[in-house]
Amino acid sequence: DSGVTQTPKHLITATGQRVTLRCSPRSGDLSVYWYQQSLDQGLQFLIQYYNGEERAKGNILERFSAQQFPDLHSELNLSSLELGDSALYFCASSVVPSNTGELFFGEGSRLTVL
Amino acid sequence: GENVEQHPSTLSVQEGDSAVIKCTYSDSASNYFPWYKQELGKRPQLIIDIRSNVGEKKDQRIAVTLNKTAKHFSLHITETQPEDSAVYFCAASSPAGGFKTIFGAGTRLFVKA
Repeated sequence: DSGVTQTPKHLITATGQRVTLRCSPRSGDLSVYWYQQSLDQGLQFLIQYYNGEERAKGNILERFSAQQFPDLHSELNLSSLELGDSALYFCASSVVPSNTGELFFGEGSRLTVL
Repeated sequence: GENVEQHPSTLSVQEGDSAVIKCTYSDSASNYFPWYKQELGKRPQLIIDIRSNVGEKKDQRIAVTLNKTAKHFSLHITETQPEDSAVYFCAASSPAGGFKTIFGAGTRLFVKA
């Protein structure tokens, strides 16, 4: 158990819909990262938050948005869903500032868009 | 933008043989290079990492080497076992923005018994 909690574990929805994925980082971790993993694909970096502020952005679509709340949990919002958005969405947290950089991943939220 | 290339995409070895996975990175500011192992249906987990002030690091059967001049690093697994079968991801992390970590595309390793 990494200490990172993601909900829901599975989600099935239709095209055009909107969903929210939630992540609670490890206790004490200030930084939260979101990654997208499509079938048999790598880990695509979406966005990073540190202590409530957006710190870095990757290949995140305009239809997607995220935020980190004062209690440090984070939500990833996916709207106007398309079939291609079906993927496993991982949240990870890390101790920042630190020169370790190790990411602790949650179990992921598997999104299926029909 | 930052990019990490990883090769090969698939690697099949006989149990007991060695496996080598190679990565190159583009961001010269990267100073932390972790390797993650992802078993089928599981989350990625860190197996070994190396920082830019070190050229080589070993932990039992796994080792990582880093060449900062050439901007490439490699994972070496010796005496492979069937339980080493998984997808391995290299990554490069830059201190800019709190250790933004970019992953390679992954290598699917099959260890045949």
